[in-house]
Amino acid sequence: GAVVSQHPSRVICKSGTSVKIECRSLDFQATTMFWYRQFPKQSLMLMATSNEGSKATYEQGVEKDKFLINHASLTLSTLTVTSAHPEDSSFYICSASPQAGGTEAFFGQGTRLTVV
Amino acid sequence: KQEVTQIPAALSVPEGENLVLNCSFTDSAIYNLQWFRQDPGKGLTSLLLIQSSQREQTSGRLNASLDKSSGRSTLYIAASQPGDSATYLCAVRRTGGYQKVTFGIGTKLQVIP
Repeated sequence: GAVVSQHPSRVICKSGTSVKIECRSLDFQATTMFWYRQFPKQSLMLMATSNEGSKATYEQGVEKDKFLINHASLTLSTLTVTSAHPEDSSFYICSASPQAGGTEAFFGQGTRLTVV
Repeated sequence: KQEVTQIPAALSVPEGENLVLNCSFTDSAIYNLQWFRQDPGKGLTSLLLIQSSQREQTSGRLNASLDKSSGRSTLYIAASQPGDSATYLCAVRRTGGYQKVTFGIGTKLQVIP
């Protein structure tokens, strides 16, 4: 199957700093990538849809100025958590589908963010 | 708004048993349904994908069924092994638009040696 690589897998940062998470499709092109967040004992929740060459689409309740998304190429999307606070500590995961009629979603390994 | 429910929330079985995990969804206008496995602190591994026009998919000891009209899917695991211990997630992709995926909360499975 297609491979989606996410980096870093784990990050600890100080409150008030910004953290960037990368999501790469290694062997396919993806016009659209998705970013999810998972809090303990809760389901994965879609945060935003990353569109190559255009602005991301954010789900209701997700602050676009806090979670900056850049999808500069067909193989890379980045999520930047700005001015991180302890309540942003969570598991962040991205997914993508191959551009040509892809129906199966492939997921990255996820990033465990801890804000101290 | 699509809602996905998974029952049971947790399951513990002895090694070798066959088991069924259940997933239900409220909106039958789906594009496909996908079962994933998630190990603690790790990403998702895709297990089976069922298109909306299909009734079931099989891979090794796993069999997933889909009844779109009733909004149900089951994941059958035959001859369970300790290595099957993980959280199993059901995800439904809707039709149209950018095909948003909605996840269930998962079933945490423990297979006891």
